[in-house]
Amino acid sequence: GESVGLHLPTLSVQEGDNSIINCAYSNSASDYFIWYKQESGKGPQFIIDIRSNMDKRQGQRVTVLLNKTVKHLSLQIAATQPGDSAVYFCAEFGSSTTSGTYKYIFGTGTRLKVLA
Amino acid sequence: GAVVSQHPSRVICKSGTSVKIECRSLDFQATTMFWYRQFPKQSLMLMATSNEGSKATYEQGVEKDKFLINHASLTLSTLTVTSAHPEDSSFYICSATGTSGGEITDTQYFGPGTRLTVL
Repeated sequence: GESVGLHLPTLSVQEGDNSIINCAYSNSASDYFIWYKQESGKGPQFIIDIRSNMDKRQGQRVTVLLNKTVKHLSLQIAATQPGDSAVYFCAEFGSSTTSGTYKYIFGTGTRLKVLA
Repeated sequence: GAVVSQHPSRVICKSGTSVKIECRSLDFQATTMFWYRQFPKQSLMLMATSNEGSKATYEQGVEKDKFLINHASLTLSTLTVTSAHPEDSSFYICSATGTSGGEITDTQYFGPGTRLTVL
């Protein structure tokens, strides 16, 4: 079935270290992927996206890697800061394997805790 | 990025009443808006997708007569929770995709969410 899952529900990282958050997706037809950050009591905030014709994209302190062979997506945060503490969701956008319609599917989320 | 607002941010109501939540795109034309529900420590669950000027498409298991969605303009969509009950208490989030500066974007931009508590 359709699923986007994360390997680690909680990730604790020392301030200043790099963080890597992983995500597995199952729909090979998905062609667009996004990482969102959600702080407590707020809506998800767009971080970075990547299309299926790319395998890497960099932003400010963040990098997204896409491995289509194993259907794996990761978010790397450099020099993690206390303000990075939040829940991170990956999302895939593609044609539903059951209905054929295009939709977003969100992963279960990973909580990132930055330790001082 | 594009800005999406929601109103109200919090609402507390009695069981049996109806609650309307507004979602507005402030700086782009939202041709498609999405409504999600999120329970504590869980991911976002898509409730419905609405395109401007047409009926919403509801996800399986979501009652369309209970969760009324209207997307009458390119900047406004409303979700009305009718005859709310305590089990409807949740965090409701809207998002939108559309055109900005003449360019079409697949990226969903989310509103800040509405916390609904039904007593």
